[in-house]
Amino acid sequence: EAGVVQSPRYKIIEKKQPVAFWCNPISGHNTLYWYLQNLGQGPELLIRYENEEAVDDSQLPKDRFSAERLKGVDSTLKIQPAELGDSAVYLCASSLARENEQFFGPGTRLTVL
Amino acid sequence: RKEVEQDPGPFNVPEGATVAFNCTYSNSASQSFFWYRQDCRKEPKLLMSVYSSGNEDGRFTAQLNRASQYISLLIRDSKLSDSATYLCVVNLNTDKLIFGTGTRLQVFP
Repeated sequence: EAGVVQSPRYKIIEKKQPVAFWCNPISGHNTLYWYLQNLGQGPELLIRYENEEAVDDSQLPKDRFSAERLKGVDSTLKIQPAELGDSAVYLCASSLARENEQFFGPGTRLTVL
Repeated sequence: RKEVEQDPGPFNVPEGATVAFNCTYSNSASQSFFWYRQDCRKEPKLLMSVYSSGNEDGRFTAQLNRASQYISLLIRDSKLSDSATYLCVVNLNTDKLIFGTGTRLQVFP
C-alpha cells in the first residue's frame, strides 16, 4: 500500500515568489494534516482537514498561507508571497480518523533565498 | 512554558546500554500520549502509544505519570539502529497533537 505522497521533495525559491506543495494521503484516510517543521523543532500543525472541511486552521498564517482539499482527497498548501522565515520542511500526514495514528509523508524541504 | 518539553540531548550511549528519556507536558487535560521516532531528514513515525498502565514493546518501555505530568521512554540494550530523534507527543482534548522538540539519541559501537 502506498504511503502519503508529497511533491515536490525540494523547492528553492526567491523571497516574494509563490510556492505550492501537494499531498496525496493514504487511500481511505479522511483526516489530512499539514505541519511545518523547523530545524531542531518538532512538527507544528498548520491545518487539519476532515474530508474536505478545514476543522482546525488556527495556526495557519492566513495573510500568506492558504490550503485546499476540494474533493476530500489530495490537498495543496500555498504560500504567497514567500518570506525568508518560511524556509522549513512542510509535512503532510493522514489518518483514518482524528483519533487514529497519523502517517507522515516525506515532506517538502523549502528554501527561500 | 512550552506545552511539551524535552531535553534535546544529544544522548551519546554505547551499544548495549540502557537509556531513558523524559518529557513533561503542561496541560493536565491532555488525553493521550505517544512517542514518535524521526530519523535524520526523514518523516516522523509512530514508535508507541503511552498508556496509563505503561506499555512495553520489545526493548522499549513507555510510562505515564499523570500526577507529575510526565512520560518516559526507556530503551534497553541499545542498537546502532536506535540512533534517531525521539519525539514526545501529547494529544490535547481538542484532538490536536502537540510535538516536543525531540531528544536526539546517538548509539556508538
